[in-house]
Amino acid sequence: DIQMTQSPSSLSASVGDRITITCRASQSIRTSLNWYHQKPGKAPKLLISSASSLQSGVPSRFSGSGSGTDFTLTITSLQPEDFATYYCQQSYTTPRTFGQGTKVEIK
Amino acid sequence: QVRLVQSGAEVKEPGASVKVSCKPSDYTFSSYGISWVRQAPGQGLEWMGWINVYKGNTNYAQKLQGRVTLTTDTSTGTAYMELRSLRSDDTAVYYCARDPVGRGTFDYWGQGTLVTVSS
Repeated sequence: DIQMTQSPSSLSASVGDRITITCRASQSIRTSLNWYHQKPGKAPKLLISSASSLQSGVPSRFSGSGSGTDFTLTITSLQPEDFATYYCQQSYTTPRTFGQGTKVEIK
Repeated sequence: QVRLVQSGAEVKEPGASVKVSCKPSDYTFSSYGISWVRQAPGQGLEWMGWINVYKGNTNYAQKLQGRVTLTTDTSTGTAYMELRSLRSDDTAVYYCARDPVGRGTFDYWGQGTLVTVSS
């Protein structure tokens, strides 16, 4: 199975900050990488697919980049609704696997 | 607006089975696959398997092979996940998610169904 490792596991930030979350795959997954966020008690929501394609309706302050084994999710100007847990997920092969999550908390 | 509506919470004893339903709306059911993902309390996300609604073929996580069965009823437009021989570590919220055929990208999710396994 492909292992997905996110860093950091958690971070504290303020409204307006720029943050970056990284995700590393245990082998090359080309650009088959998706990002989700999840708020407590809610289902995950797809933000970015294929490493850098922003989903319809997702604000442009979210962006993704990377290919091969190393990927990043960047949020410019963090908003109150962005405080959540973020997960990367590889769609390169089955079993589909997720990173362990990065919890973004208010400083 | 695409929605996936799941059945309600369940409490089961160890060794029992559970069957969770997922009814999508506002898209052509047979044009997409459905994946199931679970999340144990306070833990991350675990992919369980996928079903091609049009062809009926499935792909399961090896960890659950033999205990999980994914099915669909195209007459009612409903997907089902059955998990057998339940154990305490199967306690989790179970999600269905729309999964465009072959993509492995979960673009819409159900609200989740809590399954509690306890004696």
